[in-house]
Amino acid sequence: ELKVEQNPLFLSMQEGKNYTIYCNYSTTSDRLYWYRQDPGKSLESLFVLLSNGAVKQEGRLMASLDTKARLSTLHITAAVHDLSATYFCAVDLKSTDKLIFGTGTRLQVFP
Amino acid sequence: DVKVTQSSRYLVKRTGEKVFLECVQDMDHENMFWYRQDPGLGLRLIYFSYDVKMKEKGDIPEGYSVSREKKERFSLILESASTNQTSMYLCASRGTGTVLYEQYFGPGTRLTVT
Repeated sequence: ELKVEQNPLFLSMQEGKNYTIYCNYSTTSDRLYWYRQDPGKSLESLFVLLSNGAVKQEGRLMASLDTKARLSTLHITAAVHDLSATYFCAVDLKSTDKLIFGTGTRLQVFP
Repeated sequence: DVKVTQSSRYLVKRTGEKVFLECVQDMDHENMFWYRQDPGLGLRLIYFSYDVKMKEKGDIPEGYSVSREKKERFSLILESASTNQTSMYLCASRGTGTVLYEQYFGPGTRLTVT
């Protein structure tokens, strides 16, 4: 059974600081996704990582994938308040149409 | 842009009522999904459909059924609503013709069963 674990579950950080969210998964997968969810809103796709060593960046967020370690990271650089949200990673269960989600990391950025 | 819409943002129903949640996508996607989201549990897959009239159980199908009579529409049915089905329900769709294979989510329906 594929399990996806994120940590930390909750992250409170000061503006301007850097931090990393970790996503571990338990079995081989084709793709890894990062989504953002604002309070009361739906999920917005941030990144899709397809292969070992893949790195994608958008603004202050950078995602990477290490398929050998079954680990993806979401790195936040110089956090700003607008990044406050819940971030989910999700993994494709190989050869099926299912996505398995992590429990999410709630990020709060304060001045 | 892909658009996934859900029939209601907020819904309040009584225990025992039959509840229909509707989802419509406008991108001719083959796959459609229903999730529920609860604090601390992330998103859990209830059912999905990979074609018209086709359905597959997800991880938590008990107490739910689905219907897909047209490609663009996927309905989630709670035959007899119970209080433990109070949750946020999210619909998603995905096309099979791209490498990225992303799921696109609707705005969600917050269902309260009293």
